[in-house]
Amino acid sequence: EAGVAQSPRYKIIEKRQSVAFWCNPISGHATLYWYQQILGQGPKLLIQFQNNGVVDDSQLPKDRFSAERLKGVDSTLKIQPAKLEDSAVYLCASSGTEAADTQYFGPGTRLTVL
Amino acid sequence: GEDVEQSLFLSVREGDSSVINCTYTDSSSTYLYWYKQEPGAGLQLLTYIFSNMDMKQDQRLTVLLNKKDKHLSLRIADTQTGDSAIYFCAEGEGRRALTFGSGTRLQVQP
Repeated sequence: EAGVAQSPRYKIIEKRQSVAFWCNPISGHATLYWYQQILGQGPKLLIQFQNNGVVDDSQLPKDRFSAERLKGVDSTLKIQPAKLEDSAVYLCASSGTEAADTQYFGPGTRLTVL
Repeated sequence: GEDVEQSLFLSVREGDSSVINCTYTDSSSTYLYWYKQEPGAGLQLLTYIFSNMDMKQDQRLTVLLNKKDKHLSLRIADTQTGDSAIYFCAEGEGRRALTFGSGTRLQVQP
């Protein structure tokens, strides 16, 4: 079974530029999560989708971050414009919709904002 | 709000047992998880325990849960150099976001 795929793996941009990350979840997983992991910390949720609907985006900085999952499969996370403090690893995870379903993580995209 | 805390660092010798501890505050947590993160990699699920269990064993891994004290531990028997990584404790359940601790860096010395 293929795991969660993410691209790119690394991205370096200057502040005020825009950037987009892509995630392909495990086949059949209805729930998709984007987490932000700042160096030295655990991952923190940015946004959660179930199918193509948003379940929780309360921690997403909506003035600069946006995310979509138009067909209920792949998802894109965008930052525009980027700030220095957005430097982090962006992790995508997916799971089923039952409480007992575990979350599986992709390898992450490491973003450096200069 | 929800909070998960872990000690930052643990160093052990190869062949010894490692015990990584975690405390959490959300008494309604359904599941508690242990994830492993190696340098430059995503999070790998190691094991998890349902909140009505006290213990779960999976090969070299033993998870102990004390619900009264909201304390979770992960014991790794016969620790190997390949176990060197950051270990994250998390609470939640499959259909909602997990709350993670800050991670414990395990260093295994040969």
